Amino acid sequence: DAKTTQPNSMESNEEEPVHLPCNHSTISGTDYIHWYRQLPSQGPEYVIHGLTSNVNNRMASLAIAEDRKSSTLILHRATLRDAAVYYCILRISNFGNEKLTFGTGTRLTIIP
Amino acid sequence: EPEVTQTPSHQVTQMGQEVILRCVPISNHLYFYWYRQILGQKVEFLVSFYNNEISEKSEIFDDQFSVERPDGSNFTLKIRSTKLEDSAMYFCACLKGGGTDTQYFGPGTRLTVL
Repeated sequence: DAKTTQPNSMESNEEEPVHLPCNHSTISGTDYIHWYRQLPSQGPEYVIHGLTSNVNNRMASLAIAEDRKSSTLILHRATLRDAAVYYCILRISNFGNEKLTFGTGTRLTIIP
Repeated sequence: EPEVTQTPSHQVTQMGQEVILRCVPISNHLYFYWYRQILGQKVEFLVSFYNNEISEKSEIFDDQFSVERPDGSNFTLKIRSTKLEDSAMYFCACLKGGGTDTQYFGPGTRLTVL
């Protein structure tokens, strides 16, 4: 499986944008980039995913580098509820039922 | 919004005892998963299940583990003879299939083996 690298932790002030980076230099052409997050004492939760183009949804935006070797999850206006561990995960296809392989993720702390 | 539920939220058991962790996935979802997370560690895949069969299992999922979908709604994980190292959070997840790719996770069951 292609590997992702994320910073162990990040801090951000409440109501400011947050940019969470992910490096995936060995990504293959068919790998989709998925982001999940895990709020304290909860199960993981889907955030967003993409292949090549930048993506937006109600939770976040995903900016994918042109060479696809890195991506950035953008929370436009962080709230205290966004404090979580964020996981960047590569998956082979967009239609498969394959398992999720979690790394250690980035622990995001929001400062009030 | 439909959600995955898991019972119990916390299970305490003695080493060597059998436990059954229960999950009710989202009703029209077709793929089911169990993951676990030992305290302070990564979320680890255990097993995936589709069409009443195991699709894939990890090295963790040995002969002490089994899964079942007994009645078309519940999805269970059984550990036959628990060990201390089975203490973890166990998460059930499901996926609708048919072109969607989002896994929905339950809140987890905390298993404590004494």
